[in-house]
Amino acid sequence: DGGITQSPKYLFRKEGQNVTLSCEQNLNHDAMYWYRQDPGQGLRLIYYSQIVNDFQKGDIAEGYSVSREKKESFPLTVTSAQKNPTAFYLCASSMSGHQPQHFGDGTRLSIL
Amino acid sequence: SQQGEEDPQALSIQEGENATMNCSYKTSINNLQWYRQNSGRGLVHLILIRSNEREKHSGRLRVTLDTSKKSSSLLITASRAADTASYFCATDDGSWGKLQFGAGTQVVVTP
Repeated sequence: DGGITQSPKYLFRKEGQNVTLSCEQNLNHDAMYWYRQDPGQGLRLIYYSQIVNDFQKGDIAEGYSVSREKKESFPLTVTSAQKNPTAFYLCASSMSGHQPQHFGDGTRLSIL
Repeated sequence: SQQGEEDPQALSIQEGENATMNCSYKTSINNLQWYRQNSGRGLVHLILIRSNEREKHSGRLRVTLDTSKKSSSLLITASRAADTASYFCATDDGSWGKLQFGAGTQVVVTP
C-alpha cells in the first residue's frame, strides 16, 4: 500500500538537544512538506521541497532544518534553537504544488 | 498566517442529522480544499474546489464556494458517528505548495 510513514510516533527532547523526525513516502510524489500543529490550531508550514535536492522555508522555519537527498525521504531536525518545540508534527506529500496533499500520522514531540 | 477561518469552532449533532461548517478567507485563491483529521492522526483530503467552480459533491459531502464573498461551506449529510473529527479548510492562493489552513471545526456525532 502506498503512503507516508512518520517515525517515531512519540519523541522526547532534552534541553539543548537536536532531534530528527523521519518522513518516508512511497507514492512517487515530487513534493514534500513539514507542518507544525499546536492544540486547537491549524497547520503551519515549516519547510517544503518541490524536488530532490531542493527545499524552501515556510512560515515558521526558524529553529528547524531539513534535507532532501532522496525523493522518498524528507527528514526534519528540530534544533536546540527552537525554544518551543512541543507540538504535533505532520509530514505530507503531493504530486505537485497545487494538488491535494497526503499526510502521515504525525510525530508528537515533547520536552523532558 | 492563517487565511482560512472556520465557523463554528465546534459542532455537536446526532446521527442522521446534517452538519454544516463554513470557511472564510481573505485573499484571492486558486483552489480551496477541505480535510478531515481524526484525533491524533494525520489529515485526510476530502474535496478540492477550484476558483471557477461553485459546487462540488463527493458521496455525502457537498462543498460550495462563493468567491465574491470569499467563503466556502462543507455540508455532511446524514451524519454518522464515524464522521466525528476535526474539519479544516485550506486555501491555495497560487503560491507553489503553500496551503493556508484554518483552525478547524471540531464535529462530534453522537449515536
